[in-house]
Amino acid sequence: DAGVTQSPTHLIKTRGQQVTLRCSPKSGHDTVSWYQQALGQGPQFIFQYYEEEERQRGNFPDRFSGHQFPNYSSELNVNALLLGDSALYLCASSPAPGQGRNEQYFGPGTRLTVT
Amino acid sequence: SQQGEEDPQALSIQEGENATMNCSYKTSINNLQWYRQNSGRGLVHLILIRSNEREKHSGRLRVTLDTSKKSSSLLITASRAADTASYFCATDASWNFGNEKLTFGTGTRLTIIP
Repeated sequence: DAGVTQSPTHLIKTRGQQVTLRCSPKSGHDTVSWYQQALGQGPQFIFQYYEEEERQRGNFPDRFSGHQFPNYSSELNVNALLLGDSALYLCASSPAPGQGRNEQYFGPGTRLTVT
Repeated sequence: SQQGEEDPQALSIQEGENATMNCSYKTSINNLQWYRQNSGRGLVHLILIRSNEREKHSGRLRVTLDTSKKSSSLLITASRAADTASYFCATDASWNFGNEKLTFGTGTRLTIIP
């Protein structure tokens, strides 16, 4: 049973460019959340997708957008990259809301470096 | 913004000793979870404790929760070199559905000395 997978593993981009990160949830999960983890900090919630819609959003600008596909996989897009966007981007999947199972399973992350 | 803080920020102990980490948070919660992270990789879920629980055990892990003080502690007994990692507490404040956003603390960096 595959866990949460993310691609790519590492990415280097230049300021002003755009980037797309991808995530496939654990089998049986249909909710995907994205987090940003700066060096030395805890992860910060970006947004969550369920039934192909954004359900909740953290305190991130509109440059951060996402999408969920019918197969529950998800993309995170960041436009007009800033140096401060350099971080580890983590995807987490979980069962549908309301099932009383609250654990979120995290992928290995994508390390984004903006130069 | 971070929900709270872990204490201490860094902890070094000898292999075989017990390690205790504390977490404080700010708002009412549905549940609190502890995660481990090795060398900047993905997070591994360790244990979840619900707001109506006071203590929970899983193998060498013991978690306590004091909602009146908005604090939790994670005890790792008989530590091993493989326990070297960063440990984060995360709170889930959702009430309607669960599995909503997690708010993480700042983490404790644990080093086990062989």
